[in-house]
Amino acid sequence: NAGVMQNPRHLVRRRGQEARLRCSPMKGHSHVYWYRQLPEEGLKFMVYLQKENIIDESGMPKERFSAEFPKEGPSILRIQQVVRGDSAAYFCASSPVEQGGAGELFFGEGSRLTVL
Amino acid sequence: QQQVKQSPQSLIVQKGGISIINCAYENTAFDYFPWYQQFPGKGPALLIAIRPDVSEKKEGRFTISFNKSAKQFSLHIMDSQPGDSATYFCAARGGNNDMRFGAGTRLTVKP
Repeated sequence: NAGVMQNPRHLVRRRGQEARLRCSPMKGHSHVYWYRQLPEEGLKFMVYLQKENIIDESGMPKERFSAEFPKEGPSILRIQQVVRGDSAAYFCASSPVEQGGAGELFFGEGSRLTVL
Repeated sequence: QQQVKQSPQSLIVQKGGISIINCAYENTAFDYFPWYQQFPGKGPALLIAIRPDVSEKKEGRFTISFNKSAKQFSLHIMDSQPGDSATYFCAARGGNNDMRFGAGTRLTVKP
């Protein structure tokens, strides 16, 4: 049973380009979460999605950032017009549905974005 | 707005000692409180978790103490080992199934 798969693991972009980060949840998991981690800092919640629905995007910047989790295929975190401040590790986590709500989060290895 | 406050930011403990990390929360709708361990270059991994209907949970050298009235919970690592050196995050799950994390504690266990 493969874990949460994120790709690319490392991505370098120049200012103004677009970054697309992909996340395939564990088999059977229908909840996906995206977090951002800056060097020496904690995990900042960005967005929580279920298949075809955004449940909570309160942590997502209003501009340039978007996320989706289509019926088929991986979840995508898209950052348009990247700036140096977007450089960070982006972690995806997935969770199964349990009685009473989503259970344990299983994290991927992260995608490390560097903006030149 | 930080919904889960974690302290200390960093902690140095001698091998064999007890490591204690504390977290506090405000939202009474939180219903699940996990601790995650993260090694450099890796994703966080679940270490131990507790629900608010119990005051303590122990798994091996790791114990969570939970104080519902004070809205605080803590992680105790007994007989700390150099291999425990990592960053530890507390978290809390809200009514919308969203998970909020503390800022993390970098633990160093000296041999």
